[in-house]
Amino acid sequence: NAGVTQTPKFQVLKTGQSMTLQCAQDMNHNSMYWYRQDPGMGLRLIYYSASEGTTDKGEVPNGYNVSRLNKREFSLRLESAAPSQTSVYFCASSEGLRYGYTFGSGTRLTVV
Amino acid sequence: GEDVEQSLFLSVREGDSSVINCTYTDSSSTYLYWYKQEPGAGLQLLTYIFSNMDMKQDQRLTVLLNKKDKHLSLRIADTQTGDSAIYFCAEGGGSYIPTFGRGTSLIVHP
Repeated sequence: NAGVTQTPKFQVLKTGQSMTLQCAQDMNHNSMYWYRQDPGMGLRLIYYSASEGTTDKGEVPNGYNVSRLNKREFSLRLESAAPSQTSVYFCASSEGLRYGYTFGSGTRLTVV
Repeated sequence: GEDVEQSLFLSVREGDSSVINCTYTDSSSTYLYWYKQEPGAGLQLLTYIFSNMDMKQDQRLTVLLNKKDKHLSLRIADTQTGDSAIYFCAEGGGSYIPTFGRGTSLIVHP
């Protein structure tokens, strides 16, 4: 099925370890986004990419980096994981406001 | 900055109607959205309404927009247990990035 694919689905990291969350979409969307979801906080935007070759900071970028590898793929990297980064991470893509977002199923990350 | 507010919880009896409310502050919003998130899943776009519309109906879903009061509502008719989920309101248009509310947990009990 067409959509947004995130890997891995679950991950446990030790404090200080690094990892990359992968996201790919097959809908030829220009824009891609990374959000984190925490209880009671709703969705908070980490980084976004309005088009291939561009990335911009969102509301909570500290501790993260991103790469828009090509039009399909947008990865999120934690260089030195901290317990405060324990969260559910969602990738989304969009072809414009008119169409809303298509979300992936999420990566559940625990940092111990 | 822009803000979107929703109540956190709503409990209804199966077969009743559910009404989830949302208020927003950005007067330049062009589109307003409702997303549904089932347990362990990502958000799924349920419906959206363009800012020059007052109402949109799609089967059991009715969206009402009061642009003057910046108030959006989602009505679910004949609510079923399968409708239990978190519902997010979002607005977009003023900036490139939509702003999401914190979500309303809808609990449907027999």
